[in-house]
Amino acid sequence: GAGVSQSPRYKVAKRGQDVALRCDPISGHVSLFWYQQALGQGPEFLTYFQNEAQLDKSGLPSDRFFAERPEGSVSTLKIQRTQQEDSAVYLCASTIVSGTQYFGPGTRLTVL
Amino acid sequence: AQSVTQLGSHVSVSEGALVLLRCNYSSSVPPYLFWYVQYPNQGLQLLLKYTSAATLVKGINGFEAEFKKSETSFHLTKPSAHMSDAAEYFCAVSDQNSGGSNYKLTFGKGTLLTVNP
Repeated sequence: GAGVSQSPRYKVAKRGQDVALRCDPISGHVSLFWYQQALGQGPEFLTYFQNEAQLDKSGLPSDRFFAERPEGSVSTLKIQRTQQEDSAVYLCASTIVSGTQYFGPGTRLTVL
Repeated sequence: AQSVTQLGSHVSVSEGALVLLRCNYSSSVPPYLFWYVQYPNQGLQLLLKYTSAATLVKGINGFEAEFKKSETSFHLTKPSAHMSDAAEYFCAVSDQNSGGSNYKLTFGKGTLLTVNP
């Protein structure tokens, strides 16, 4: 079956622009995680959904970051008024509850 | 709070040589431990995981890792390196509390493995 997909794979934004990053999880996976991976670093947790409920958003770095999963499937991570420090790879992972996390290929965001 | 330390940001081995990538963790509760591999421009792929069953865990591509509670370590090994093993490797920890975001992963900074012919 299909794995986790993310789009776009690459995004270049001018500082101050808003961006939206999409994650399509594996069908039937209840849980969905977003991570941010800065250059040369390991991924860092941003937020977690169980179905449509956002149960943990403790990793979101500022109120410019917003995530949603309105129907419990596809999720969107939105970054408003992008800054250069937002440049990173954004990874999405999905899983059955308490199962292994399966990662998508990521979206590489570059803010100029 | 949990944390992971990967000793050595870059490890270089010859093809056919032993691979040893080091990982130490800190956790106040019994941990789940993971090794993931990341090839260029790709997402993370699970190599193996420890979930409190056998302390020696075998994974894909000939890799294995041993959980040592006394040393708080979970080092990754492979007896004989292959050129295709060249990638970045991440150790990660989550705790065993039931449900929800307690299963979020805390990653180390990664170790880049190069394999020389």
